[in-house]
Amino acid sequence: GAGVSQSPRYKVAKRGQDVALRCDPISGHVSLFWYQQALGQGPEFLTYFQNEAQLDKSGLPSDRFFAERPEGSVSTLKIQRTQQEDSAVYLCASSPGQQGVYGYTFGSGTRLTVV
Amino acid sequence: GQQVMQIPQYQHVQEGEDFTTYCNSSTTLSNIQWYKQRPGGHPVFLIQLVKSGEVKKQKRLTFQFGEAKKNSSLHITATQTTDVGTYFCAGPGLNAGNNRKLIWGLGTSLAVNP
Repeated sequence: GAGVSQSPRYKVAKRGQDVALRCDPISGHVSLFWYQQALGQGPEFLTYFQNEAQLDKSGLPSDRFFAERPEGSVSTLKIQRTQQEDSAVYLCASSPGQQGVYGYTFGSGTRLTVV
Repeated sequence: GQQVMQIPQYQHVQEGEDFTTYCNSSTTLSNIQWYKQRPGGHPVFLIQLVKSGEVKKQKRLTFQFGEAKKNSSLHITATQTTDVGTYFCAGPGLNAGNNRKLIWGLGTSLAVNP
């Protein structure tokens, strides 16, 4: 596609509910990143994929967070048993490069509110 | 741990005034990237600087990378209301295993009075 697409745009979840956030990166982009952005803060790294391989998941805050990219394109970030502190905007970004860091293209994000 | 700091946190200017935001890293960076995020929007990539002392211009925006590759600045000449947003700098993580992830500053929020 022309850009990075994320869905849903907004999600309200009851505490304890599981959620799944989808990211459709730019076609052909090798690198895919998930970031979490709290209000008034910069994005915080969650996890990184190179094609289908999850090379870095050091930013995932707990074992309730799980991400996958089984075919090296679409990615899903799953949060189990959501807590109020999970409320944030979840940003997906993709980049064409394999080596080093290149400018990311971000999606519009999913705003998750846990009530 | 590795940190990226930005000042000021907020800046209010009159339209037509200049604006500068400064970014400082606790460690030497291999490169630095700048992003703009409009209110309610997502970060949009502006530029990447790689070389020590590098200066790049994009119309009214001038980006600099310090000689020691630990600091950077973004200067906007004659601000316009379309410049409103938060400007973030970000640099790659230190270690070879995590140099693909970016460490972000907290951003500088710019407000422009027409």
